[in-house]
Amino acid sequence: EPEVTQTPSHQVTQMGQEVILRCVPISNHLYFYWYRQILGQKVEFLVSFYNNEISEKSEIFDDQFSVERPDGSNFTLKIRSTKLEDSAMYFCASYENYGYTFGSGTRLTVV
Amino acid sequence: EDKVVQSPLSLVVHEGDTVTLNCSYEVTNFRSLLWYKQEKKAPTFLFMLTSSGIEKKSGRLSSILDKKELFSILNITATQTGDSAVYLCAALNSGGSNYKLTFGKGTLLTVNP
Repeated sequence: EPEVTQTPSHQVTQMGQEVILRCVPISNHLYFYWYRQILGQKVEFLVSFYNNEISEKSEIFDDQFSVERPDGSNFTLKIRSTKLEDSAMYFCASYENYGYTFGSGTRLTVV
Repeated sequence: EDKVVQSPLSLVVHEGDTVTLNCSYEVTNFRSLLWYKQEKKAPTFLFMLTSSGIEKKSGRLSSILDKKELFSILNITATQTGDSAVYLCAALNSGGSNYKLTFGKGTLLTVNP
């Protein structure tokens, strides 16, 4: 069964450092997403990406965040200067009419 | 603002019991209602419901959507300890070229032997 792959599974970083979270979505999907889940809270939408551009972003997705699809397969989320409150699970997802599939997530811990 | 409300927030049952999990939603440009099972990490897809009144089944799990009442239920019969997880309900909003999910807080199901 096709799957969404995320790396790394766990990242620890110091406050103020830049991090890049990586994702390989399902190959024939066209819609890509990042969501996050702070421990004990709801899964929240961050950003959607279609046709090589952002189609919608949430209030959480401020200037510290950016997304890129640098080649035909990878989809990255960059946080420029991490804050303690960015500690969360970050999920990549991709969508087609038959399903909305999530990756296994990256646990980001900012210390 | 789009909203998804799940109930109960937690439930403890014994193996063999049947459970019903509830999800109500208020979402603009509603397209579908999705159910996921979340154990340690990623949400694992269970069902996507787009049409009202058509039950979807997978083994001991089944789900149905009521688009008039803006409501869905997930049933699990003959529960097993392996069913212990957080069950997430999410409404899919299709506005323009975006298909965004709004999640509920989840129902924590604990199945005791």
